[in-house]
Amino acid sequence: AQSVAQPEDQVNVAEGNPLTVKCTYSVSGNPYLFWYVQYPNRGLQFLLKYITGDNLVKGSYGFEAEFNKSQTSFHLKKPSALVSDSALYFCAVRGRSGGGADGLTFGKGTHLIIQP
Amino acid sequence: NAGVTQTPKFQVLKTGQSMTLQCAQDMNHNSMYWYRQDPGMGLRLIYYSASEGTTDKGEVPNGYNVSRLNKREFSLRLESAAPSQTSVYFCASSDLTGGGDEQYFGPGTRLTVT
Repeated sequence: AQSVAQPEDQVNVAEGNPLTVKCTYSVSGNPYLFWYVQYPNRGLQFLLKYITGDNLVKGSYGFEAEFNKSQTSFHLKKPSALVSDSALYFCAVRGRSGGGADGLTFGKGTHLIIQP
Repeated sequence: NAGVTQTPKFQVLKTGQSMTLQCAQDMNHNSMYWYRQDPGMGLRLIYYSASEGTTDKGEVPNGYNVSRLNKREFSLRLESAAPSQTSVYFCASSDLTGGGDEQYFGPGTRLTVT
């Protein structure tokens, strides 16, 4: 079975500082990895994904994530945080077996709070 | 394009009542999904449909049924609602040409069962 761990329920960062939201995963074989963001009372919005190739993936709103196969991690990063980045962030994984049509397995989410 | 739409946005049911949550997408996607979101638990997959005419159980299917009405529409039915089904329900779709396609989510239905 596949799983995702987001070890921090909440991350607090001062505006302008770099931010990191941590994610580790467990899956058979090579993974597809995703980050989504959820603003209050809204659906999830796709930020970025790792499929193959370069371990550093760039996505929307200046976010990026680094895939580390040996550490089974896919941490979300941004060089300079904005107050508007405050939201709930989800890491998700899908394995490559079974045709890939099944759903994503999500972590529990990390609240990111950017302080002015 | 409206993307993924869900109706209703809010619903309150009494225990034992039934209802159907509706979902439609206008992106011509093959695959559709139903998730529930509970505080501190992330999103959990209820059912999915890899293509028109097929449906499969996800992680938490008990108490739910689904219908893939056509390529656009995927409904979720609660036959006899229970308080444990109080949750926010999200529908999603993806093109899934190779497994690495991202899913697009609707705005959600907030369901309360009393």
